[in-house]
Amino acid sequence: KAGVTQTPRYLIKTRGQQVTLSCSPISGHRSVSWYQQTPGQGLQFLFEYFSETQRNKGNFPGRFSGRQFSNSRSEMNVSTLELGDSALYLCASSLGLGGGKTEAFFGQGTRLTVV
Amino acid sequence: QKEVEQDPGPLSVPEGAIVSLNCTYSNSAFQYFMWYRQYSRKGPELLMYTYSSGNKEDGRFTAQVDKSSKYISLFIRDSQPSDSATYLCAMNTGNQFYFGTGTSLTVIP
Repeated sequence: KAGVTQTPRYLIKTRGQQVTLSCSPISGHRSVSWYQQTPGQGLQFLFEYFSETQRNKGNFPGRFSGRQFSNSRSEMNVSTLELGDSALYLCASSLGLGGGKTEAFFGQGTRLTVV
Repeated sequence: QKEVEQDPGPLSVPEGAIVSLNCTYSNSAFQYFMWYRQYSRKGPELLMYTYSSGNKEDGRFTAQVDKSSKYISLFIRDSQPSDSATYLCAMNTGNQFYFGTGTSLTVIP
């Protein structure tokens, strides 16, 4: 069974640019959540999508947005990049909304560096 | 106060030692408890998952949950250099996951 796939694995962008990250969940999983991971803050929840609708949102500015497609694949977009956006962005998939009674499975992450 | 507290370490032990990793939490609504292992430059990998108080064993790993004390632990027996990683606890109310900040573990050969 294929795991969670995130692309690209690494990205280098310049301040002010925008970036789009992609996540393909495990087949059959309908929930996709996005997290930002930094050494100082740990895993911070960005948002969760379920059945193409954003169901839950963390405390991040509006520059961070996402969407989910009918096949459950999800994209995350960050506009007007800042140096502080440099982080590992992780996508997690699970069967149910909010994880429900099931576990979350993570992808390898996309390492974003903003210069 | 964070909903999930985890000592960041770092923790350094000799090979073969028993390792104890711990998290405390404040939200009584947490129903499901997980431990993830994350190697450098990789995504977190699910190690253990439990939803009740008590112990759950899987090979060298034992997860312990004490809901009355709001305390969970992960024990690693006969630790190996390959166990060197960051360990994150995670909890779920049924609506959202909450993660600890992770404990960095190094097992020295």
